[in-house]
Amino acid sequence: NAGVTQTPKFRILKIGQSMTLQCTQDMNHNYMYWYRQDPGMGLKLIYYSVGAGITDKGEVPNGYNVSRSTTEDFPLRLELAAPSQTSVYFCASTGTSRDEQFFGPGTRLTVL
Amino acid sequence: QQPVQSPQAVILREGEDAVINCSSSKALYSVHWYRQKHGEAPVFLMILLKGGEQKGHDKISASFNEKKQQSSLYLTASQLSYSGTYFCGTVNAGNNRKLIWGLGTSLAVNP
Repeated sequence: NAGVTQTPKFRILKIGQSMTLQCTQDMNHNYMYWYRQDPGMGLKLIYYSVGAGITDKGEVPNGYNVSRSTTEDFPLRLELAAPSQTSVYFCASTGTSRDEQFFGPGTRLTVL
Repeated sequence: QQPVQSPQAVILREGEDAVINCSSSKALYSVHWYRQKHGEAPVFLMILLKGGEQKGHDKISASFNEKKQQSSLYLTASQLSYSGTYFCGTVNAGNNRKLIWGLGTSLAVNP
């Protein structure tokens, strides 16, 4: 049981480039989340999904897109990267909102 | 609608106790507590559900006052391993699909 895996671990992007952050879970969880965490701050919800084919915006969705074609995968797409998107990105999953969220190890992204 | 945590930071000596508070302006469905160490992902500690059910940790306790929309996390006889940043996350009664996170409480336990 690998839990929640994220790739890549680190990435440096130039302004205007695009990339996809990958997130996969093997626990058959319906709920999946993407968060960003700026230094010394809490977690901000970017997008979330309650099942395959269903996604919804969180608090800070601008500049990002997601898709959920399978239960296991929830990729996050950054279009036209900006320095303000420099952050640590965490993916998480859970079976229901009454249960704990399981986190991936995070992706540290720098946009220069 | 972000929950408010207090205090922002605590410094303890090993063996001392601490209380971290989390309050919301919204009616709550549940409160979650996580601990995060530097450079790592948050780790689950406890969930407190409306109606009194708790799921969580053996050595750390918490309370949930539904009427006041508040939760408190109790760290007793602190150990060096308790150091880290503690986050509460609240699930609002209006949308029980997502957590809204507080800004965190930094806890340092010194020998």
